[in-house]
Amino acid sequence: DQQVKQNSPSLSVQEGRISILNCDYTNSMFDYFLWYKKYPAEGPTFLISISSIKDKNEDGRFTVFLNKSAKHLSLHIVPSQPGDSAVYFCAAIKAGNMLTFGGGTRLMVKP
Amino acid sequence: GAGVSQTPSNKVTEKGKYVELRCDPISGHTALYWYRQSLGQGPEFLIYFQGTGAADDSGLPNDRFFAVRPEGSVSTLKIQRTERGDSAVYLCASSLTGSTDTQYFGPGTRLTVL
Repeated sequence: DQQVKQNSPSLSVQEGRISILNCDYTNSMFDYFLWYKKYPAEGPTFLISISSIKDKNEDGRFTVFLNKSAKHLSLHIVPSQPGDSAVYFCAAIKAGNMLTFGGGTRLMVKP
Repeated sequence: GAGVSQTPSNKVTEKGKYVELRCDPISGHTALYWYRQSLGQGPEFLIYFQGTGAADDSGLPNDRFFAVRPEGSVSTLKIQRTERGDSAVYLCASSLTGSTDTQYFGPGTRLTVL
């Protein structure tokens, strides 16, 4: 039973445009959400996070939106750059410590 | 400062053999996690250490898997009687104290069981 889902395995975006990556979760006990970025042959790198008491968190070109009623979060990257091309993982934590990850979305930003 | 390091980066073994995977966390981080990532999937939690003790080992798939962290820093993940289905990238992460502290990941060990 997958508690965190990323339904789009891949996304292609033109450089300079907005990238929107989506994530859905089923467990209402999750209280903290994160996005990680992963390049090949490297471990995931933390990007941005959001607490369940907020609905938006912004850091430079990256913004995460949380819709608790819909159990949905999204990551917006604007403007997208070719160096943003990577696999993006959504992850969640519930009253504990371990991360529950989605399956990932491969983002390709074309010059 | 130095990040999380994992050795070896690649390990090829034969079915039935025993393997050990090592993780060196960021200095001063008390929390350490092991995850496993199979091809095309997200990482899956295996075990979490707080200091020397395993605070949560609910993700270990069976009793062939075991992990230790005897001095509260370096951790070793041990897999007995390896099976082909154990082939995956094993990721280690550490965080300062646990909870929602950012988890910093190492590059992983790619295990291939022939």
